[in-house]
Parts: sequence; structure tokens; C-alpha cells
Amino acid sequence: NAGVMQNPRHLVRRRGQEARLRCSPMKGHSHVYWYRQLPEEGLKFMVYLQKENIIDESGMPKERFSAEFPKEGPSILRIQQVVRGDSAAYFCASSPGSSVGAQYFGPGTRLLVL
Amino acid sequence: AQSVTQPDIHITVSEGASLELRCNYSYGATPYLFWYVQSPGQGLQLLLKYFSGDTLVQGIKGFEAEFKRSQSSFNLRKPSVHWSDAAEYFCAVDPDSWGKLQFGAGTQVVVTP
Repeated sequence: NAGVMQNPRHLVRRRGQEARLRCSPMKGHSHVYWYRQLPEEGLKFMVYLQKENIIDESGMPKERFSAEFPKEGPSILRIQQVVRGDSAAYFCASSPGSSVGAQYFGPGTRLLVL
Repeated sequence: AQSVTQPDIHITVSEGASLELRCNYSYGATPYLFWYVQSPGQGLQLLLKYFSGDTLVQGIKGFEAEFKRSQSSFNLRKPSVHWSDAAEYFCAVDPDSWGKLQFGAGTQVVVTP
């Protein structure tokens, strides 16, 4: 049973480009969460999604960031017009339900903005 | 303000010695509580969780944690550490049972021979 999968594992972008981060939840999990780990900071919640629905995006920056979890395919975290401050590790987690149990994390995508 | 505090940023322990990592939270009700471990360049692995019931929780890799309501604490322990336990450890809470985890700043554990 594969765990949470994220790709790419490493992503390099120049300022102004777009970054797309993908997350495939564990089999049987329908809830996806995105977290960001900035250098020298802890993990911060960004967004919580279910299939075709954004449940809570209170941690998302107001501009340039968006997330989706379509009916088919992985969840996507999209960052438009990246800036150096977006350099971080982005982790996806999944759970079978919001109040059912723990979240299981993927290996993360390390984004570096030049 | 609601928060999760891990008072120790860095702990050094000898291999074979015991380890205790502290975690305190400040929320009105008892949240769901978790401990995760992160090795360099890796994702987070769940060690254990507490939702309700027995306040002493057993996890993987020989770890356990004790929930103390009176102290708002959920400290992680291991009786005898192995070199492979060197990693960063994060305490997390889910205050609303909603899945929106709040993490502590983490404790870096170094294991010496």
C-alpha cells in the first residue's frame, strides 16, 4: 500500500515562473492537507481539501497561491509568479476523514526560487 | 493565544540513555495530540497519537507519550535511544478535530556514541 506521494521532490524556479506541486493521497484517503515549512520555521497549515472542494484555506497567502483536488487525479498546489520567499518545503498529508484519525505525510517538495 | 510549545530546541543524548521531549499546548478543550518525527530531507512520520482514553499512549519505534490534562502536556519518551533516533521531533495538535494541525517549533535530537 503506497503512502502519500508527492512530485517533484525538488523543484527549481526562477522568479516570476509558476510552480506546480502534486500530491497523490494514500489509497482510500479522501482528505488532503498542504503544509509549508519555511527555513528556520515550523510547519504551517495552508489548505484542507476534499475531492472537488476546498474546506479550509485560511493558511493560504491571499495572492498567487491556489490549490485544487479534482475528482480524478492528484491534488495540485499552484504558485504563480514565484518569489524568493516562496522557497520552502511543501508537504502534503492525507487522512481518511477530517476527524477520523491522524494525517500521513508525503516526502515533500523542496522548492527553490532563484 | 492558542499555541503549541516545545521548550527544547535542541537535545543531545547518549546512545542507550533515556529521552524525554516536552510539549505543552494552550487550548480551551483537550485537542487531538500527535508526535511526528522528521529525518533530514524527509517527510514526517507519525509516532503516536492521542484522542481520548488511556493517557499513556504507545507508539512505534519504542516511543510512548503521556497526556496530562492538569499540565496541558503531552511529553514523548523513550527508555533507551538508538543512533537512528537522531532526527527532529514535532508535537502537533488538532484543536478542533478538523484536521488543521498546529505544530510546535520542533526539537532537534542528537545522539552521541
